[in-house]
Amino acid sequence: DAGITQSPRHKVTETGTPVTLRCHQTENHRYMYWYRQDPGHGLRLIHYSYGVKDTDKGEVSDGYSVSRSKTEDFLLTLESATSSQTSVYFCAISEDRFNQPQHFGDGTRLSIL
Amino acid sequence: KNEVEQSPQNLTAQEGEFITINCSYSVGISALHWLQQHPGGGIVSLFMLSSGKKKHGRLIATINIQEKHSSLHITASHPRDSAVYICAVRRGSQGNLIFGKGTKLSVKP
Repeated sequence: DAGITQSPRHKVTETGTPVTLRCHQTENHRYMYWYRQDPGHGLRLIHYSYGVKDTDKGEVSDGYSVSRSKTEDFLLTLESATSSQTSVYFCAISEDRFNQPQHFGDGTRLSIL
Repeated sequence: KNEVEQSPQNLTAQEGEFITINCSYSVGISALHWLQQHPGGGIVSLFMLSSGKKKHGRLIATINIQEKHSSLHITASHPRDSAVYICAVRRGSQGNLIFGKGTKLSVKP
């Protein structure tokens, strides 16, 4: 199994508070991704990174920011959480963006009350 | 209309049955992925294909580029195959994946 660790695995917080989710990989893969998974929707890309300090937006990036200061860590921040951001968040990694599959972490279940 | 459609949404089978899950897409693609999401939530990549057919154990994935359609087959199904199966496509020259909503498979002993 690809070495991907997401933390925390579960979190409950209140509207308006900041939240940071962490994705840590031990595979030295260049690409890292944050997705959200909601009922009635397929996985949707929030942001991705193609190297240290190199990130780009996905289709549902509003309200989220990311940072990648080291190859192994990719952080997702909700600056002021809203109830619409209640979701399951998955981190994924890949060696190559086009020709290799993505490997997923176990997910973080985030509830915003 | 969703760019990636899967059918059926839900599927119940008896152990040993041959299972087919379908994926249709409406955009030009460079690759198609099949993934499996376990009941506990973890997601595993099963196949990545751009033409023809791939086989791994009891799983077979096929793709017809002209018809914009892919199928995932499971032979001799087993209760441990119970999971959500997700189809995803990489659109043309873009890198981002577009995911279907998944097919929930339940295999009864």
